[in-house]
Amino acid sequence: DVKVTQSSRYLVKRTGEKVFLECVQDMDHENMFWYRQDPGLGLRLIYFSYDVKMKEKGDIPEGYSVSREKKERFSLILESASTNQTSMYLCASGGDPPRSPLHFGNGTRLTVT
Amino acid sequence: GNSVTQMEGPVTLSEEAFLTINCTYTATGYPSLFWYVQYPGEGLQLLLKATKADDKGSNKGFEATYRKETTSFHLEKGSVQVSDSAVYFCALSDGSGGYQKVTFGTGTKLQVIP
Repeated sequence: DVKVTQSSRYLVKRTGEKVFLECVQDMDHENMFWYRQDPGLGLRLIYFSYDVKMKEKGDIPEGYSVSREKKERFSLILESASTNQTSMYLCASGGDPPRSPLHFGNGTRLTVT
Repeated sequence: GNSVTQMEGPVTLSEEAFLTINCTYTATGYPSLFWYVQYPGEGLQLLLKATKADDKGSNKGFEATYRKETTSFHLEKGSVQVSDSAVYFCALSDGSGGYQKVTFGTGTKLQVIP
């Protein structure tokens, strides 16, 4: 079974802190994604990556950056956390488009105070 | 651009009732269609998929048929259980540009009461 592992289930950070969310997948997938999930808004794509060192902006990239130095690892970075970034963050990976489904981690619930 | 529209929730059903969650889409090309389920406190997991017109995806008693003529992919189950209580997301994926572009619906919360 594909496993996507997010390093933290819950995080509490202060406004202005730099925050790293880590995600590792074990299926050699080319594609990796970061979404945030908020009530009433569904899933919104922040960034995705289709290869090592490659990244593309999603629908809501402002205030975020990403890093993909190794194929299995995709990191989301909040350069200076703000309270409006309090959310559930979901990492996903996927194989060949369009038939391959996405495989999600269990999410990181981030609270910025 | 692509879009997915699914019925608003929450949907509340009694155990053993019939379930339908409607999903319609707009897309260029030939997307694949998916239903994902999210149980409380977890990430999304694939429930079923269909990759071409008239395909039927099925899993755990759930079914959905890829209807190109009506651009729909409605989720059905003949007899729901309390354990089916979750949020259900319809999604489409196209491979334009050589990488996945996945569009999700906003999710439908299902609550099944004993």
